[in-house]
Amino acid sequence: QLHLQESGPGLVKPSETLSLTCNVSRDSITSSSYYWGWIRQPPGKGLEWIGAISYPGTTYYNPSLKSRVTISVDTSKNHFSLRLNSVTAADTAVYYCARHLLTAYYLPSWFDPWGQGTLVTVSS
Amino acid sequence: SYVLTQPPSVSVAPGHTARIFCGGHEIGNKSVHWYQQKPGQAPVLVLYDDSDRPSGIPERFSGSKSGNTATLTISRVEAGDEADFYCQLWNNNSDPHVVFGGGTKLTVL
Repeated sequence: QLHLQESGPGLVKPSETLSLTCNVSRDSITSSSYYWGWIRQPPGKGLEWIGAISYPGTTYYNPSLKSRVTISVDTSKNHFSLRLNSVTAADTAVYYCARHLLTAYYLPSWFDPWGQGTLVTVSS
Repeated sequence: SYVLTQPPSVSVAPGHTARIFCGGHEIGNKSVHWYQQKPGQAPVLVLYDDSDRPSGIPERFSGSKSGNTATLTISRVEAGDEADFYCQLWNNNSDPHVVFGGGTKLTVL
C-alpha cells in the first residue's frame, strides 16, 4: 500500500526558504495516473492547498501562493519537494503531502492517501 | 476566487443522522470530495466524486448534491465519527486550482 512521508526542518527563520520533501513508497512517482500534492494546515485552522505536480513536470499552484512556491519531482529518489520562499509567521503550519488522483479528463481530483504531516514553525 | 462554504459546527446524538453541507457556485457541475480529520491525525478521504466511498469507509457515509449544495450524510452516528469534515473540489477555471471548504466540526452529543 502506498505510503507518503514528509521530511524537512521543523523551524525556519522569517524571510528564509521552507524546504520539504515527500518520500513515496510502494508506488512510482513517474506514474501517469497521478499528481502529487502539498496541503498545509495552520494550527487550529482549516486546510489550504499549496500545489501539485505530475511527472514529468506539469504543475498547478494556489494562486495566492504561486509567486513564492516551487514544487519539483526527483525520480532518482522517488520523491517530490516543496520550496516556499520569503516565509513569515503566517506560513507556520502542518504541511501534508498526498497523492492526487486524476479525473477521466486527466485533471487533479481527490487526495488519497495523505502523509502524516510535519509541523513547520516560522520563527527567529 | 471560488469559495466553498461549510457550517462551522454540527451536533448530533448517537444513532441519529448528521448532515454536513458544502455550498458553492454551480457546484452541480463539479465533483466534490469529502475528508474526515480526527484530532492530531491527517485527513482521510471518506467520499469522492460526490458519493463514491473508498474501500473501508462504512456505508453509513453517503453523499449527494442539489442546487448549489453538496451534502455529506452520516447515518447512525457513532461516537467515533466525531471529527472535522472538509469538502474539496477542483476548480477548472482560467487559473485551475484546488478549493477546500472551511471545515465543519461534528460533535457527537
